[in-house]
Amino acid sequence: QQQVRQSPQSLTVWEGETAILNCSYEDSTFNYFPWYQQFPGEGPALLISIRSVSDKKEDGRFTIFFNKREKKLSLHITDSQPGDSATYFCAAGTGGYKVVFGSGTRLLVSP
Amino acid sequence: ETAVFQTPNYHVTQVGNEVSFNCKQTLGHDTMYWYKQDSKKLLKIMFSYNNKQLIVNETVPRRFSPQSSDKAHLNLRIKSVEPEDSAVYLCASGRGSQNTLYFGAGTRLSVL
Repeated sequence: QQQVRQSPQSLTVWEGETAILNCSYEDSTFNYFPWYQQFPGEGPALLISIRSVSDKKEDGRFTIFFNKREKKLSLHITDSQPGDSATYFCAAGTGGYKVVFGSGTRLLVSP
Repeated sequence: ETAVFQTPNYHVTQVGNEVSFNCKQTLGHDTMYWYKQDSKKLLKIMFSYNNKQLIVNETVPRRFSPQSSDKAHLNLRIKSVEPEDSAVYLCASGRGSQNTLYFGAGTRLSVL
């Protein structure tokens, strides 16, 4: 049973476009949602995160939109750059010692 | 800047052998984790330790055993590896029960 779902599995955008990555979850006790970026041969690295008390979090070109009622989030990457090509993971936590990850979205930004 | 160190980077072994992976963090965190990442990049938590105490122990085969000597170290031993153990094993650390994790680069295990 997958608690955190991501779509699409892979996404290709042109340089300069906005990439939209989607995430949904089932457990209403989740209250913290980090997004991680992973490049080949490296471990995931925290990109941006949001708590369930907020509906939007912005950090430069990266924005999380959060809809608590529908249990959905999306990560928007504006002005996408080839260096943004990576796998992005949506994750969820409850403040305990367990963080659940989605299956990832592989993003390719073509120049 | 790397602050979670894993060794080895790669390990190739045969079915039935025992392997050990090491992890050390220099962030001063008190919680450490082991995650397994399979060939489809799915990340699944295996164990988490807080102050050397086992906190989370997911349903993993008994041949897997974590070992913590202090807050900064969390090793993983696999007693008798199986082909399905081939994966990347990622170590991470965090502060308390805060859910922000800092990952190492991983150890890639290939079981022949």
